[in-house]
Amino acid sequence: TQLLEQSPQFLSIQEGENLTVYCNSSSVFSSLQWYRQEPGEGPVLLVTVVTGGEVKKLKRLTFQFGDARKDSSLHITAAQPGDTGLYLCAGEGRDDYKLSFGAGTTVTVRA
Amino acid sequence: SQTIHQWPATLVQPVGSPLSLECTVEGTSNPNLYWYRQAAGRGLQLLFYSVGIGQISSEVPQNLSASRPQDRQFILSSKKLLLSDSGFYLCAWSDRVAGDTQYFGPGTRLTVL
Repeated sequence: TQLLEQSPQFLSIQEGENLTVYCNSSSVFSSLQWYRQEPGEGPVLLVTVVTGGEVKKLKRLTFQFGDARKDSSLHITAAQPGDTGLYLCAGEGRDDYKLSFGAGTTVTVRA
Repeated sequence: SQTIHQWPATLVQPVGSPLSLECTVEGTSNPNLYWYRQAAGRGLQLLFYSVGIGQISSEVPQNLSASRPQDRQFILSSKKLLLSDSGFYLCAWSDRVAGDTQYFGPGTRLTVL
């Protein structure tokens, strides 16, 4: 079983502040996904990263995939209340199409 | 475009009753299909996945079973529900060839009393 550890578990910040969520593993992944989930809804895909060292930017969100493809981070600049939610990272192993999920980071952005 | 549907959205069932949750995908062929269970505010536990009609792989021993009677239909069942079966159940699909990204349905909230 490939384990993904996310940190922090909870994060509460003021609107306008920056935040970073981390996703770490001792296993190598062929790709890694970040999802955001709101209460009572299914997770929504934010990004997929596949290349070691890759950096992807989506407006105020920046995603990094570690050079060794074992870790990733999500950075949000100037957070807004609409960024509130549960952020999940998920890694795909080399040999199958199953994803291993982290336990999630609950982000709360206060207005 | 592809869409994924789950129903019912919420369900309250007594202990010992049967269960059937349905998931259907539109706009794609031969998808990989997945059932997950999620504890409140936490990560997802993979229960079953399927790479084709009639092909089911179980990830954890449990009181549940899955079936795939059609290419884009995935069903989660139980003959007798337990209290511990309560949770948020999510269905997902991925492309058979690419496979690296999964797309989730809206989920079913199951409460067993």
